[in-house]
Amino acid sequence: KNQVEQSPQSLIILEGKNCTLQCNYTVSPFSNLRWYKQDTGRGPVSLTIMTFSENTKSNGRYTATLDADTKQSSLHITASQLSDSASYICVVDDYKLSFGAGTTVTVRA
Amino acid sequence: GAGVSQTPSNKVTEKGKYVELRCDPISGHTALYWYRQSLGQGPEFLIYFQGTGAADDSGLPNDRFFAVRPEGSVSTLKIQRTERGDSAVYLCASSLKRDGGTDTQYFGPGTRLTVL
Repeated sequence: KNQVEQSPQSLIILEGKNCTLQCNYTVSPFSNLRWYKQDTGRGPVSLTIMTFSENTKSNGRYTATLDADTKQSSLHITASQLSDSASYICVVDDYKLSFGAGTTVTVRA
Repeated sequence: GAGVSQTPSNKVTEKGKYVELRCDPISGHTALYWYRQSLGQGPEFLIYFQGTGAADDSGLPNDRFFAVRPEGSVSTLKIQRTERGDSAVYLCASSLKRDGGTDTQYFGPGTRLTVL
């Protein structure tokens, strides 16, 4: 059973709108939680890295949150752009990275 | 500077054949990782090198899979007696060092392996 579950599996949003992706994990303990963006046919690119003691981390229009008590993280995308269309992957790092299956985001004009 | 590169970008082989996949990490990165990504799934850890040695190979699915990094730079993932279930994108990543902290892994574009 995957230790990192993401929801929704996919979503479609209009350009300029906001969206929030969810990540629930059972990996414990862990050193950090990461969010990656993966364009089709490309390798993942790091967006944010949070240690277990951090609650939030921003990278431009991307803001990640972490609640270590409930073992949940979210990635919020503000004012979405067409270039945000990609798969967003939640990764829990307990020395060995555990990847979620990703949420596929499609931004439409 | 160049990022992580992987060759070939695509590999089609027949069941039972032997394949080698190559990864050129970012210069100076001591940590190197191999992952396998099936369609619609997140990457799955295979093996991690720190320098020349395999620090963790617990993700290798069976003894048909083997990886080397003889000089602490380029790595080769070797798959013997390929099976159709080996078809996937094989991703390589490197990072400056592995300290259990927040080092960023930089991924290559992957090699798409198709076993017919």
